Amino acid sequence: GAGVSQTPSNKVTEKGKYVELRCDPISGHTALYWYRQSLGQGPEFLIYFQGTGAADDSGLPNDRFFAVRPEGSVSTLKIQRTERGDSAVYLCASSPDRVWSGANVLTFGAGSRLTVL
Amino acid sequence: GESVGLHLPTLSVQEGDNSIINCAYSNSASDYFIWYKQESGKGPQFIIDIRSNMDKRQGQRVTVLLNKTVKHLSLQIAATQPGDSAVYFCAEARGGSNYKLTFGKGTLLTVNP
Repeated sequence: GAGVSQTPSNKVTEKGKYVELRCDPISGHTALYWYRQSLGQGPEFLIYFQGTGAADDSGLPNDRFFAVRPEGSVSTLKIQRTERGDSAVYLCASSPDRVWSGANVLTFGAGSRLTVL
Repeated sequence: GESVGLHLPTLSVQEGDNSIINCAYSNSASDYFIWYKQESGKGPQFIIDIRSNMDKRQGQRVTVLLNKTVKHLSLQIAATQPGDSAVYFCAEARGGSNYKLTFGKGTLLTVNP
């Protein structure tokens, strides 16, 4: 597609529920990233995929968070037993490759706003 | 701990004036810096980047300056327009983990007509 697409744009859930957030990266981009942005803060790194594999998941806060990218394109961020502190905007980004160059910058989607009641 | 931060949380300017947004970083290992613009309800949008082997880089109406001696980064926007109103973030990346951006808190720029 023309940009990074994220669904849903808004998700309201109850504490303890399970949620899935979907990211559809720019076609052909091999690198995919998830970030989390709390109110009034800058985005924080969660996980990075190169192709199908999670190359770095060091930013995932705990084992309730998990992400997959089974075919090297669409990715799903999964959160189990949601807590109120999980409320944030979850941003997905993609880039042609992981190597920084003039054209290889991260393009972000609009994000999925998660509210845990 | 090491972090990227901004001196001013808010900046208000008149349309047509030049804007300067500042950022301090503390990790001398950082070798790549990026400025992003984020409008309400949207994801961050890339503006300009600079590598640590450069002091200055110019784009269309924007200039990024890097002072490694004092670990300071700035974004200059010439002839600021109402459409420039947004939150601006600086971000850093380090050597081997150059895909992992560390963002500062952000500066809200408001352009008054």
